Amino acid sequence: DVKVTQSSRYLVKRTGEKVFLECVQDMDHENMFWYRQDPGLGLRLIYFSYDVKMKEKGDIPEGYSVSREKKERFSLILESASTNQTSMYLCASSPQGTVNTEAFFGQGTRLTVV
Amino acid sequence: GQNIDQPTEMTATEGAIVQINCTYQTSGFNGLFWYQQHAGEAPTFLSYNVLDGLEEKGRFSSFLSRSKGYSYLLLKELQMKDSASYLCAVRGGGFKTIFGAGTRLFVKA
Repeated sequence: DVKVTQSSRYLVKRTGEKVFLECVQDMDHENMFWYRQDPGLGLRLIYFSYDVKMKEKGDIPEGYSVSREKKERFSLILESASTNQTSMYLCASSPQGTVNTEAFFGQGTRLTVV
Repeated sequence: GQNIDQPTEMTATEGAIVQINCTYQTSGFNGLFWYQQHAGEAPTFLSYNVLDGLEEKGRFSSFLSRSKGYSYLLLKELQMKDSASYLCAVRGGGFKTIFGAGTRLFVKA
């Protein structure tokens, strides 16, 4: 079974803190994604990566950065956390090469910024 | 612009059939996905359509009309465990996938 693991299920951070969300996948997938999920808005793409050290902005990259130093690990960084970044964050991975492959999601990290 | 619309909530009775609709407007089209997401859990893949028509997989079927920008997910013989959110997602140009807000389905006894 494909497994995508996010380091924390729940996090509470203070405004202005630098926050790291970690994601690891064990299926040698090339593509990795970070989404945030908010009620009524669905999943919105923050950043994605299609190879080690490669990254592309998604629809809402402001206030976030990412790091992909190893193929299996994709980190989302909130440079200076703000209350409007309180959300559910979902990491996903998928293999490259074909468009009909689904994404495999992690369990999500519910981040609260106070 | 790019947009995916689906109903916010639906309620159906155990044993019945329910159809969840999805309409989309995207730049580029490389297929439409349906995912199921139980509360507090990760979305899991249900179906993929890239050609017009119906794809059947057990109790779940998914239909696509590319000319109408329309899809539906059909759930038969509803069970209580089918209570979940159902996410419609379209893969546009490249590998970028856009998700709808999801439809929360409540199955009642």
